Amino acid sequence: EAQVTQNPRYLITVTGKKLTVTCSQNMNHEYMSWYRQDPGLGLRQIYYSMNVEVTDKGDVPEGYKVSRKEKRNFPLILESPSPNQTSLYFCASSLGWPGSGANVLTFGAGSRLTVL
Amino acid sequence: KQEVTQIPAALSVPEGENLVLNCSFTDSAIYNLQWFRQDPGKGLTSLLLIQSSQREQTSGRLNASLDKSSGRSTLYIAASQPGDSATYLCAVNEPPNTGTASKLTFGTGTRLQVTL
Repeated sequence: EAQVTQNPRYLITVTGKKLTVTCSQNMNHEYMSWYRQDPGLGLRQIYYSMNVEVTDKGDVPEGYKVSRKEKRNFPLILESPSPNQTSLYFCASSLGWPGSGANVLTFGAGSRLTVL
Repeated sequence: KQEVTQIPAALSVPEGENLVLNCSFTDSAIYNLQWFRQDPGKGLTSLLLIQSSQREQTSGRLNASLDKSSGRSTLYIAASQPGDSATYLCAVNEPPNTGTASKLTFGTGTRLQVTL
């Protein structure tokens, strides 16, 4: 089944403890992206990647890192999490630029992160 | 900076009613607009994508329209069913800044409940 898989789905951690949220897609998509969703603010893009070793900042990249060493994987790294990073995180992928032509984004199920 | 607004934030209708969800955006220079559905505990599912040159798109009981010049889109749901209960988000796809990919900007969504 074509899908985007995120892990963990739920995580409670403490301030400063490094964590990684993994994202993997099995559709050979070139474009991958991370979003965070907060009440009243909608989805905001954190980082995106157009291909292996090509990443760029979205609207809210502060406090996050990403890497794209393989086409299928795009982990989100929080080196020193803080409470303001408590949020619902989504990974998404598309064949090319999202929305261009038929390049519709496929989303993962989300990872709910709580930082105490 | 593009801003996407969805009104109302929440809507409750009895089963069988036809309904309209609204999306407005501030910058009309867009590639396309997408409507997504979000179910609790799940990711977003793309419903319809309208290119900037199109006026509407239809899929089953769903019809999305786009008036780019006025910065508006509507999602019409015919003969609503309890299974339509979800949050509906619109997103506009804008041309890229130099050296970056095109960008999706999401609205905050309309939470729809269809009652028996």
